Amino acid sequence: DTGVSQDPRHKITKRGQNVTFRCDPISEHNRLYWYRQTLGQGPEFLTYFQNEAQLEKSRLLSDRFSAERPKGSFSTLEIQRTEQGDSAMYLCASSPRTSGNEQFFGPGTRLTVL
Amino acid sequence: DAKTTQPTSMDCAEGRAANLPCNHSTISGNEYVYWYRQIHSQGPQYIIHGLKNNETNEMASLIITEDRKSSTLILPHATLRDTAVYYCIVRSLYSNSGYALNFGKGTSLLVTP
Repeated sequence: DTGVSQDPRHKITKRGQNVTFRCDPISEHNRLYWYRQTLGQGPEFLTYFQNEAQLEKSRLLSDRFSAERPKGSFSTLEIQRTEQGDSAMYLCASSPRTSGNEQFFGPGTRLTVL
Repeated sequence: DAKTTQPTSMDCAEGRAANLPCNHSTISGNEYVYWYRQIHSQGPQYIIHGLKNNETNEMASLIITEDRKSSTLILPHATLRDTAVYYCIVRSLYSNSGYALNFGKGTSLLVTP
């Protein structure tokens, strides 16, 4: 399968712990996005990479959230000192250089903070 | 990006056409209309997009009114697998956010046998 993959699919953690999620985009897609989705809501944009450069991060929810894409391939999203309000689905998407129209989404990582 | 308004939910009988409306009265000239859907427990899936002409692909048709203030997504022969939340999104082709999508709450479509 050559789609977007995310790991882990589910994460349960205790409040105050740090968590890190990984996203592997479709090969050669230079654009990568992170979204968060809470119950009953549509996905909410968090941040965007073009290759290894993080071009938009003002919509990360707080300074506890950070993302990297060190070699322009896979990306990680880290949440430090998790809070119960961080419980949500975290979605990754990628799109190719040649088109900005279609984003391909992964299955998401569901985070539960106890 | 312009705001969109969609009905919260809709029903459709299997085999019939599903017509999902979307209002985007504040759309500007360089903004496109995109449709994505999200089947339960999956990531969103791109369906179709358009600027001002009607568009059709293997999944659906998109009808945009002449004034571009509203549009309709048509699934010509709905199946049970089309049960999903459908999102209408208006977005400029050029954005500092690199084409980030601004999802609303969408329309929950239930296709019944």
